[in-house]
Amino acid sequence: NAGVTQTPKFQVLKTGQSMTLQCAQDMNHNSMYWYRQDPGMGLRLIYYSASEGTTDKGEVPNGYNVSRLNKREFSLRLESAAPSQTSVYFCASSPWDSNNSPLHFGNGTRLTVT
Amino acid sequence: GESVGLHLPTLSVQEGDNSIINCAYSNSASDYFIWYKQESGKGPQFIIDIRSNMDKRQGQRVTVLLNKTVKHLSLQIAATQPGDSAVYFCAESRPGYSSASKIIFGSGTRLSIRP
Repeated sequence: NAGVTQTPKFQVLKTGQSMTLQCAQDMNHNSMYWYRQDPGMGLRLIYYSASEGTTDKGEVPNGYNVSRLNKREFSLRLESAAPSQTSVYFCASSPWDSNNSPLHFGNGTRLTVT
Repeated sequence: GESVGLHLPTLSVQEGDNSIINCAYSNSASDYFIWYKQESGKGPQFIIDIRSNMDKRQGQRVTVLLNKTVKHLSLQIAATQPGDSAVYFCAESRPGYSSASKIIFGSGTRLSIRP
């Protein structure tokens, strides 16, 4: 059971380039999430998908788009990367969209935008 | 604004001693709290959770205490081991917010173990 798998682990982009961060979970969870983590700060929610076929904005959605491809996969796209998007990105999943279920996280994608 | 914060950004503990990591929350309506452990280069890992109808919950070597009167949450780790070195986050679930936006994270406390 791999849990939540994120690819790539590391990425360097130039300002203005685009890329897609991939996330897949094998736990049959309904809800999936994208967070970013900046030094000295907690995790901030970018986008989430409460169930297959739905996506919603979180706390910091600007500059990002998401796709819930199927129940397993939830991708995050940066259309035109900016240095302010340098961060560590974490994907997470939970069994259902509930406030009584802890999140299961991947190991992150470390993104640097120059 | 509303936030989940931590009293101490770093904590150094002697191996074998007990560790106490504190967290303050500001939303008295929050009804679910979670502690996560994050080791270097990894994602946060669930440790223990507690609902607002409880004031104490115990796991393996860990205990979470909830004091709703002063809006304070703590994580106690018994007999701290080198493998406990990590950053610890508390998170709270805020009623009234849409689904996943309910969960907000504190900025974390780094726990380091002295041999």
